[in-house]
Order: sequence, then structure tokens, then C-alpha cells
Amino acid sequence: GAVVSQHPSWVICKSGTSVKIECRSLDFQATTMFWYRQFPKQSLMLMATSNEGSKATYEQGVEKDKFLINHASLTLSTLTVTSAHPEDSSFYICSARDLQESYEQYFGPGTRLTVT
Amino acid sequence: GNSVTQMEGPVTLSEEAFLTINCTYTATGYPSLFWYVQYPGEGLQLLLKATKADDKGSNKGFEATYRKETTSFHLEKGSVQVSDSAVYFCALSGGNNRKLIWGLGTSLAVNP
Repeated sequence: GAVVSQHPSWVICKSGTSVKIECRSLDFQATTMFWYRQFPKQSLMLMATSNEGSKATYEQGVEKDKFLINHASLTLSTLTVTSAHPEDSSFYICSARDLQESYEQYFGPGTRLTVT
Repeated sequence: GNSVTQMEGPVTLSEEAFLTINCTYTATGYPSLFWYVQYPGEGLQLLLKATKADDKGSNKGFEATYRKETTSFHLEKGSVQVSDSAVYFCALSGGNNRKLIWGLGTSLAVNP
């Protein structure tokens, strides 16, 4: 089956620093990748939709200057949390949609970010 | 707009009990419907899906039928196992952008 990886799986950083999270589709090409944030015991919140070679589309209320998304190739998208604060601590999940399938998304294992 | 309403948990069952997790939706057009599962410490996995009315998705003993007349996609399993303990999410995908709209998730704990 289609596999999506995320790196790192967990990261601890200090307030004010930036953190980059990578999302890769390992065995398929993904024109579209999605970035989600999951709070404890809550559902997934879509942050942005990332299309290869173009600017990401951010959901309402998500600061695009704080959460920088780059989708430079058909297999890689990155999320950079800039000037991180403790309230940015969360579980970040990416998903990728296969070129060949119009509706199915494959999810990465998630990245646990803790900002101290 | 599109939305998904999922029964609140947590749900606690004994092994071999019957499971139902209710999911209803609001959507324009003909969305695709999904159940995802998140096992402890793991990422989301697609459990089953249905893309049109009256379709039945099934996997690992779980089933859900796309009911357009009641706008529902309830998840069922006849006999749960301890290994089914996880959080289950109902979701729909519709519209031109095919974004997933999520329910809040239902935590299931199965005791031996």
C-alpha cells in the first residue's frame, strides 16, 4: 500500500526557534499534500492544502507566515513552524493524495512538537 | 457547509461484544464516506470507505453502509477484540477540492 513518512517523529525546541517537519510519499507521486494539527482528544484540524509547484492554500485562522509550507516535488512537502511558542505544541500530521486516485488520502505517522 | 457528526465516546466494551459507532453527515451532492482508525501511538489508517449510496465498505470485520436516505454511515463489528482498541474517525470527502471533513473521533476500549 501507499506509504507516507514524516520526519522527525518528535521534536522539542525552545521558544523563538523554528522547526521544519518533512512529509514524504515513499512509493507514489502526490500532487496534493495536506497538513493537519491534532489536539489531545480532539479531531484533526486541516491547516493547509499544499500543491506541488504552487503556493499552499491555508484554512481560515491559520497564519501563513507562521506555518510555512513548501511542496517542491511530487514526493516531498515541508512544514516550518517559525518563531515557535508553547501554544504551537501539538501533533502535526500530513497526508498525501495519490495522483492516480481522486479521493483517497494516505497519512503519515505524525510529528509530536513540544515547545519549551 | 459539509459536516460530520459522530457519537461521543469513550466506548468501553467487553471482548466479543457487538460494536456500533454512529456517524451522520450533512453534505451537498454525493460525497465519499470514510472510517479511519488511529491505534495508540500510530498514525491514521483508512479502515473502510464507500463512494456511493448503498455501498457497503468492509475491512477487518468492520462494516459500514452508505445510507443516503438517513445521511448515515454507521460503523459496526459483530465481535470486537482487544486489538480493536483505538480511536475511530468518520470523515467525508466532497466538492471540487476533495478535502476531508472529520468527525470528532470516538475512542473505543475493549476489555478482555
